[in-house]
Amino acid sequence: QKEVEQNSGPLSVPEGAIASLNCTYSDRGSQSFFWYRQYSGKSPELIMSIYSNGDKEDGRFTAQLNKASQYVSLLIRDSQPSDSATYLCAEGGGADGLTFGKGTHLIIQP
Amino acid sequence: DTEVTQTPKHLVMGMTNKKSLKCEQHMGHRAMYWYKQKAKKPPELMFVYSYEKLSINESVPSRFSPECPNSSLLNLHLHALQPEDSALYLCASSQVSGAGNYGYTFGSGTRLTVV
Repeated sequence: QKEVEQNSGPLSVPEGAIASLNCTYSDRGSQSFFWYRQYSGKSPELIMSIYSNGDKEDGRFTAQLNKASQYVSLLIRDSQPSDSATYLCAEGGGADGLTFGKGTHLIIQP
Repeated sequence: DTEVTQTPKHLVMGMTNKKSLKCEQHMGHRAMYWYKQKAKKPPELMFVYSYEKLSINESVPSRFSPECPNSSLLNLHLHALQPEDSALYLCASSQVSGAGNYGYTFGSGTRLTVV
């Protein structure tokens, strides 16, 4: 049974600071990792995907993958109140199905 | 078109009713999924269709019956549900490629209440 672990939070970060979200996974053979943002009452929205060791940057978001440590992280720079949401880490995908972590509730304090 | 459209957005049904949830995408994705999400929990995989064939059924009770009439449509037929089945039902789609897995595009969901 694949598992994805996240600290559920809440994680409180001042506006303008860097928010750091972390995730570990159990399947050493996993190849694909994703970060979704979910606002309360809404559906998940894909914000980052990462497949190779190292960093991947997209605007204010940076995803980091360390396969040796089975660790995935998401950094949000210049955090804004609109970034307040639950962030779901997921692995797998394609026809195998995505396995989600429990999500981290992020609060950006104005 | 980069959307997954789900209807209805809200549904209230009695335990003896039969209803269907509908999902449509026109992105050319050949994998489609049903997920169930309870409040403050992550989405849970229910069914996977790959090239219109059911490839994964995560031990879902038979009162949930999926159907994939063609590559753009996915239905979830509901019958004799229980109050604990009340949840947000999410449809998603993705590309299928041997080169790697792709993230899913989710629809806005159907908020189901069983009374």
